[in-house]
Amino acid sequence: QKEVEQNSGPLSVPEGAIASLNCTYSDRGSQSFFWYRQYSGKSPELIMFIYSNGDKEDGRFTAQLNKASQYVSLLIRDSQPSDSATYLCAVLPLADGLTFGKGTHLIIQP
Amino acid sequence: DVKVTQSSRYLVKRTGEKVFLECVQDMDHENMFWYRQDPGLGLRLIYFSYDVKMKEKGDIPEGYSVSREKKERFSLILESASTNQTSMYLCASSLVGGQGPPYEQYFGPGTRLTVT
Repeated sequence: QKEVEQNSGPLSVPEGAIASLNCTYSDRGSQSFFWYRQYSGKSPELIMFIYSNGDKEDGRFTAQLNKASQYVSLLIRDSQPSDSATYLCAVLPLADGLTFGKGTHLIIQP
Repeated sequence: DVKVTQSSRYLVKRTGEKVFLECVQDMDHENMFWYRQDPGLGLRLIYFSYDVKMKEKGDIPEGYSVSREKKERFSLILESASTNQTSMYLCASSLVGGQGPPYEQYFGPGTRLTVT
């Protein structure tokens, strides 16, 4: 059974602070890891992907992967109110569909 | 820009009706997927297809079927709609791995289906 676990939140972070979102997965064979952002009533949009251990930075976003601990995280620096959304962690174990976590609801407080 | 379109944003059907949800992508992607999204349950994979006329069951295929007669089009079929199929349905597409981000999936806008 493939499982991806996320804290549902809401996670409340002051504007300008760092938001830290975490995700654990059960399938050790997982190869690729994705973070999607979903605004209310909209479809998910990809913001980061990572498939090697370590950190990957893209603008204000940093994805961190630790395959030994089966853990992936997303850091958002200088959080803005527009970052308020649900963040979905997704894992690709093999060449089939993604397994999604249930998402973390992030609120950036002005 | 990748574009994934779905035939309807909102749909209301009666119990027992046959329902077709259509998805079209314009980027020549090999892989296409159907998910449903429900509060508290997240996104769950129903079916996916990695080539024309090919299909694979996802995590929750019961009560659904799919059709992929052309590369750009992937249809989800509810043979006899039931109230527990009321949900948001999301279609996605992706390239085969090895080209660009690994298996990055692009989502359509979604169809909110209500079965009464």
